[in-house]
Amino acid sequence: AQSVAQPEDQVNVAEGNPLTVKCTYSVSGNPYLFWYVQYPNRGLQFLLKYITGDNLVKGSYGFEAEFNKSQTSFHLKKPSALVSDSALYFCAASYNNNDMRFGAGTRLTVKP
Amino acid sequence: GAVVSQHPSWVICKSGTSVKIECRSLDFQATTMFWYRQFPKQSLMLMATSNEGSKATYEQGVEKDKFLINHASLTLSTLTVTSAHPEDSSFYICSARMGRPSYNEQFFGPGTRLTVL
Repeated sequence: AQSVAQPEDQVNVAEGNPLTVKCTYSVSGNPYLFWYVQYPNRGLQFLLKYITGDNLVKGSYGFEAEFNKSQTSFHLKKPSALVSDSALYFCAASYNNNDMRFGAGTRLTVKP
Repeated sequence: GAVVSQHPSWVICKSGTSVKIECRSLDFQATTMFWYRQFPKQSLMLMATSNEGSKATYEQGVEKDKFLINHASLTLSTLTVTSAHPEDSSFYICSARMGRPSYNEQFFGPGTRLTVL
């Protein structure tokens, strides 16, 4: 079945340190991959997407993600974390015009 | 661009009443809209997909008679929770997809918090 996995429920980093939020997807054709962020009691905000082309995608708020086809991964990264980055992050994949499938989410906590 | 609104942002109702939630695409035409449900500390669960002018397609396990979806225009979809019960309390999020090729990108509304007493 087509699915998205976020292996970490929680990621904790210190402010100023680099952060990585992991995401892997099941192999089934060529998915479109997305990252969204959700703040408490809010909808999802788009961060970035991978459609084709350069494997390194740059998005909003200094985030970037690297598409790795051999590892079927699309990890979210940021060189220097901010306390305000603390939120819930969702990876999502869309296959062949089907609905978007979401990972379980990873709660990022950035401590001062 | 690509803004989606939801109304109301929160609602409290008594058990047995019906609640309508509106989802609007403000600056684009949405041929397809999606309704999700999110429980605390959990991911989004797709409830149904609606295309303008046709009946919604519900995911397995979602009661279509309880969660009525209407997509009457290219900018408006409504979700009506009929005879609401406390177990229907949740965060409901809609999203919209453009008609033109958009790589299936969905634009999300801010969500509606439903509390059924």
